[in-house]
Amino acid sequence: KQEVTQIPAALSVPEGENLVLNCSFTDSAIYNLQWFRQDPGKGLTSLLLIQSSQREQTSGRLNASLDKSSGRSTLYIAASQPGDSATYLCAVSRIQGAQKLVFGQGTRLTINP
Amino acid sequence: EAQVTQNPRYLITVTGKKLTVTCSQNMNHEYMSWYRQDPGLGLRQIYYSMNVEVTDKGDVPEGYKVSRKEKRNFPLILESPSPNQTSLYFCASSPGTGRQETQYFGPGTRLLVL
Repeated sequence: KQEVTQIPAALSVPEGENLVLNCSFTDSAIYNLQWFRQDPGKGLTSLLLIQSSQREQTSGRLNASLDKSSGRSTLYIAASQPGDSATYLCAVSRIQGAQKLVFGQGTRLTINP
Repeated sequence: EAQVTQNPRYLITVTGKKLTVTCSQNMNHEYMSWYRQDPGLGLRQIYYSMNVEVTDKGDVPEGYKVSRKEKRNFPLILESPSPNQTSLYFCASSPGTGRQETQYFGPGTRLLVL
């Protein structure tokens, strides 16, 4: 059974710092991995999707990497801003039923001005 | 505006009183799904639908029903709600199930069953 773990559960950093969020999964047979952002009282917003054959994806100040063999992904946020404060979730799609996402419990990120 | 909408956003009900949470998407997506989010357990998939009249169980389907009679709508039905179904529910959709296709989430429905 696929399990997804995100460490740390919460992170607080000063504005302007670069930071890394971690995601690990137990079964390397994944279809893709996605990073989402969740703001309080709102739904999830997709940030980046990495296909299983890819190593990384970039969008603006965000860079996500994938090491399928070791079961790890990282989300790198450059030059953090207070508006980046949110909960970040990673999710993996299993090979069978490609859109059956298994989520981690998230990292609650606070950027202090 | 492309979006997934859910109604109601907040709902308080009592044990055993049937309820339906509606989900609608205006993006002509084939794939739709329901999740519940609980503290300490994260998001877990309840049911999903690959297309009209095609549905299947996710990881926690007990106590829920779904239907997909039209492409745009995917209601979640609780025939006899119980307190352990108190949760935050999300509907999601995606164009299909390709490797590059992400899911778009609705704003969530917070349900309290007394």
